[in-house]
Formats: sequence, C-alpha cells, structure tokens
Amino acid sequence: LAKTTQPISMDSYEGQEVNITCSHNNIATNDYITWYQQFPSQGPRFIIQGYKTKVTNEVASLFIPADRKSSTLSLPRVSLSDTAVYYCLVGAEDDKIIFGKGTRLHILP
Amino acid sequence: NAGVTQTPKFQVLKTGQSMTLQCAQDMNHNSMYWYRQDPGMGLRLIYYSASEGTTDKGEVPNGYNVSRLNKREFSLRLESAAPSQTSVYFCASSEVTGAWDKNIQYFGAGTRLSVL
Repeated sequence: LAKTTQPISMDSYEGQEVNITCSHNNIATNDYITWYQQFPSQGPRFIIQGYKTKVTNEVASLFIPADRKSSTLSLPRVSLSDTAVYYCLVGAEDDKIIFGKGTRLHILP
Repeated sequence: NAGVTQTPKFQVLKTGQSMTLQCAQDMNHNSMYWYRQDPGMGLRLIYYSASEGTTDKGEVPNGYNVSRLNKREFSLRLESAAPSQTSVYFCASSEVTGAWDKNIQYFGAGTRLSVL
C-alpha cells in the first residue's frame, strides 16, 4: 500500500491559486492518484484522478511528475466555498482504499 | 439521481441499544463501504463488500456487523452500542475495486450517531 503524506493544513486568500502537494514514494506501477474534497457535515466528493502528467477538469488540475512519487492538486482562483478538507489517495490494499487525515484548506477573505 | 442514500440522518442511542444503519445506491455499483469519521479525523473503513454476497473487515470492524442484502443495499448493525461508537458514519459505493482499477467512491450524506 502506497502511503501518502500531505500537509495537515493550509491557508490562502480568495482569488489565489492553491497548490496542495501529496507525497507517495511507494506508489505502485498500476496505482492511480485520486483526490477527494470534503465539506463540513458532508461526505467526501471525488474531485480528480490521474495516472501521469497532467489532468484537468472543470474543478481542478492534477500535476504528476514523471517519477510519480508526488502529485499536486491545483485549485485556480479559490473562493470561500473552497474551504474544505482535501484527501489524496493512492492505490489500495486488498481492495480497501485508505483515507488519511487530509489537508484542511482554509480560504480567507 | 439519488446516488447513495443513508438513513437515518441522525440517531441518539443509549449504551447497550442496538440499531441498523441503512444504505442504498442506485448506480449499479458492485462495491460498497462503511466508514466512520470521528471529529477532526479522516475516514476509517469499518467493513466493505466487494460484490454482492461478500463482505470483509476493514480497519475498525469490532462492534459492528454488516449485511449486503442485494446489489443495491448494504446495512451496518451495532448490536450493543457503546459511547466509543459515537461518530459520523458514511456509506460509499464504487463500480470497481482494487489497485488495478480506477476506484472512485461515491459517498452518502452520513448518519450522525450519538451513544449516551
């Protein structure tokens, strides 16, 4: 199982671009990298998933370097509503996806 | 689409009481999961069902039982509730499982359980 390490918390201001980096040194060849977002009092919500290079959707971008030992979630021009916990997940062990504590992102006005 | 539906949304129990948390998904997913989330913590897997008719233990299965009633429904039962089981419980489903596949999970809104 590839363990992930991400910052416990981050602060940013409205209108800024926010980058959250996740380390996963032991990522396996077939592992995908998946990010979830969780608002207070709600279940996690899938944001983006990638395998290598760059993936972009209407919510975020995901940058994955060639060695795949880390990944960066990029949120463009954040707003107060982007305040949430962001989880980085890699691979699974015996079919079980493991969530860590995530990164608590706080957007300031 | 309803997605993943959990009932009830809130529940208060006394120590020793039993209850069943219900979960249903309408996405025809094979796999279903039960997590608990304690304040300020990440999600911890209680049990999961990779397919209809199978269930397996997760990280924290003690004190819980599950039933995969059919492909749509996956219930979580607390036989004798304890204060340590006070938590928010989330059910999730996914189309596929395993590190070889793009396992994307879809979550319900959660059940907030207090055990007094």
